Amino acid sequence: QKEVEQDPGPLSVPEGAIVSLNCTYSNSAFQYFMWYRQYSRKGPELLMYTYSSGNKEDGRFTAQVDKSSKYISLFIRDSQPSDSATYLCAMTGGSNYKLTFGKGTLLTVNP
Amino acid sequence: ETGVTQSPTHLIKTRGQQVTLRCSSQSGHNTVSWYQQALGQGPQFIFQYYREEENGRGNFPPRFSGLQFPNYSSELNVNALELDDSALYLCASSLEASGRDTQYFGPGTRLTVL
Repeated sequence: QKEVEQDPGPLSVPEGAIVSLNCTYSNSAFQYFMWYRQYSRKGPELLMYTYSSGNKEDGRFTAQVDKSSKYISLFIRDSQPSDSATYLCAMTGGSNYKLTFGKGTLLTVNP
Repeated sequence: ETGVTQSPTHLIKTRGQQVTLRCSSQSGHNTVSWYQQALGQGPQFIFQYYREEENGRGNFPPRFSGLQFPNYSSELNVNALELDDSALYLCASSLEASGRDTQYFGPGTRLTVL
């Protein structure tokens, strides 16, 4: 079993749809949770950063962390074609130095 | 743009050759981490350098080695290249070597091994 599992697989939605992306993890030491967005042939860029359990909202993006269930989510409201990219969840512990990533979800938003 | 730069952008090598990839960290950052991202996968941690010392290593063989310089820029060296080394190599810099410090990624170097 991988340390971080990410769902769904490739996703294609119409413009304006609500998108839900999810990751589950097995390491209870993880405390810091991130979502990165990666456009084709580019490096990942940080989208959302959350410490421990709770919700965080930034514009059309909402990140949720449920440490009791070892489950994190990213919601995108009113999705736009410019949101088309690969979304990667990542996490790390307090004294841990490395990020552990999910495999990514390729999102396509169709106009 | 994060301020993290990497060179070269693309590289083609043949099996058995050696390669050096370079990374300049964001201003003020003393920590550089390297990741390997195979096609369709998430990045995998290779190692991290903090103030010129290796601060941790992932599950990669010793033919993957690195350096960090006094200006905190860094190199990744890979010896005896194998076909499976074909990937996007990413470096990320952070303020300190702590889980709470955000890692900012460069654009990557795409390595193809033939």
